[in-house]
Amino acid sequence: GQSLEQPSEVTAVEGAIVQINCTYQTSGFYGLSWYQQHDGGAPTFLSYNALDGLEETGRFSSFLSRSDSYGYLLLQELQMKDSASYFCAVLNQAGTALIFGKGTTLSVSS
Amino acid sequence: DTAVSQTPKYLVTQMGNDKSIKCEQNLGHDTMYWYKQDSKKFLKIMFSYNNKELIINETVPNRFSPKSPDKAHLNLHINSLELGDSAVYFCASSQGAGGTNEQFFGPGTRLTVL
Repeated sequence: GQSLEQPSEVTAVEGAIVQINCTYQTSGFYGLSWYQQHDGGAPTFLSYNALDGLEETGRFSSFLSRSDSYGYLLLQELQMKDSASYFCAVLNQAGTALIFGKGTTLSVSS
Repeated sequence: DTAVSQTPKYLVTQMGNDKSIKCEQNLGHDTMYWYKQDSKKFLKIMFSYNNKELIINETVPNRFSPKSPDKAHLNLHINSLELGDSAVYFCASSQGAGGTNEQFFGPGTRLTVL
């Protein structure tokens, strides 16, 4: 089956850079996704990596190493509004639904 | 211009009751899902529905049944509610299940079973 590991909590200050790691074990791999969820809100898609390397989207970047079964989400120039939970996710073996990690709660302070 | 909508947003009910949660998407997607998020924020897939094919997570009790009247709707019916069913239920949709894995989530329904 699929399983993902990520840290439960990360804290940082405004303007800093933070990296949230994710390691996965999968039977079949279709790519690694990242989702953001604010308290009381719905998960929203941030990024997707199917191939090795770094994908950049504004202040957020996502990295994948398929040989290491590892990826990370990099958040730069942190803002208070970045305080949220961040989930890495992979498709299940059948490719029919997402399997999420347990989420990393990011707290950004001033 | 809501993409994925759910009703109700909050649902409080007694053990043993039967309830339904409705979900609609106006994105033209062909795949819809139901997820359960527990108090520890663990998001777990319950069902996916694509082109009339229902994929059930085997750990979901058969008290839960999804019903899709058409491609834009996937409702969730729950029989004989239990305390452990208390959670936030999210509906989501995507164009296919693969690709970029981008799924669009509804706002969630917070179910509280007393």
